[in-house]
Amino acid sequence: EDQVTQSPEALRLQEGESSSLNCSYTVSGLRGLFWYRQDPGKGPEFLFTLYSAGEEKEKERLKATLTKKESFLHITAPKPEDSATYLCAVQGYGATNKLIFGTGTLLAVQP
Amino acid sequence: SQTIHQWPATLVQPVGSPLSLECTVEGTSNPNLYWYRQAAGRGLQLLFYSVGIGQISSEVPQNLSASRPQDRQFILSSKKLLLSDSGFYLCAWSRTRYSNQPQHFGDGTRLSIL
Repeated sequence: EDQVTQSPEALRLQEGESSSLNCSYTVSGLRGLFWYRQDPGKGPEFLFTLYSAGEEKEKERLKATLTKKESFLHITAPKPEDSATYLCAVQGYGATNKLIFGTGTLLAVQP
Repeated sequence: SQTIHQWPATLVQPVGSPLSLECTVEGTSNPNLYWYRQAAGRGLQLLFYSVGIGQISSEVPQNLSASRPQDRQFILSSKKLLLSDSGFYLCAWSRTRYSNQPQHFGDGTRLSIL
C-alpha cells in the first residue's frame, strides 16, 4: 500500500535559521512526488514536482530533493511569510490520477 | 491561466439536511476533477475523482455522492448529512493528457454540521 510519512509534525524556526522537512514514502513505482504549501483556511498551493531520484527543484528560499525513499524540502534563511503547513504527496504506477498525501509539517518562522 | 472556484467558503448545516457543494474550473478543457476531505491533523482523503462528464469514481464508501454535469463543473452532494461529515472539503483539477501532473486546489469549503 502506498504511504507517505512527514516529519517533524511541527517546526519552529527563527528568521534566518535554515532547516529541512522530511517526506518518507513507500510506493509501487513512483510516477511523481509533489510538494504543496497550505496556509490556514486555504487550499494547498502547488510548489514542486519531482520525478526521479537525484532530481532537485528550487524556488526562492525553497529547494526540494528526492531519493528512492524520501524527499527533503530545504528552507534557506526563512522569513515569517514562509510560515505554513507543507504537504508532500506521491503518485504511484498502481494508482493513476490518485495522490497519497502525508499529514504535513506545520512550520512557524518567528521574527 | 487556469483558475478553480469553490463555493460556498463556509457552510453550517443541521444533521439530516441535504448538501450541495459546487466547483468550477476555468481556462482548461477536459480536466480531471477531484473532491477531497481534510480533517484536522490528518492528510487529504480522496473522496471522488472524474476523468470526464458523467464519469465518477468513488474512493470511500459514505453518504456523499458526486456528479459532473458539465466538462468543468463538479458537484458534491448528500441527501442527509451526518455529524461525521464535518470537515474541510477541497476540489482540485489536473491535466488529463499526462498522468503524473500536479493537482491544483481551490480554497475549500469549511462544513460544520450541528
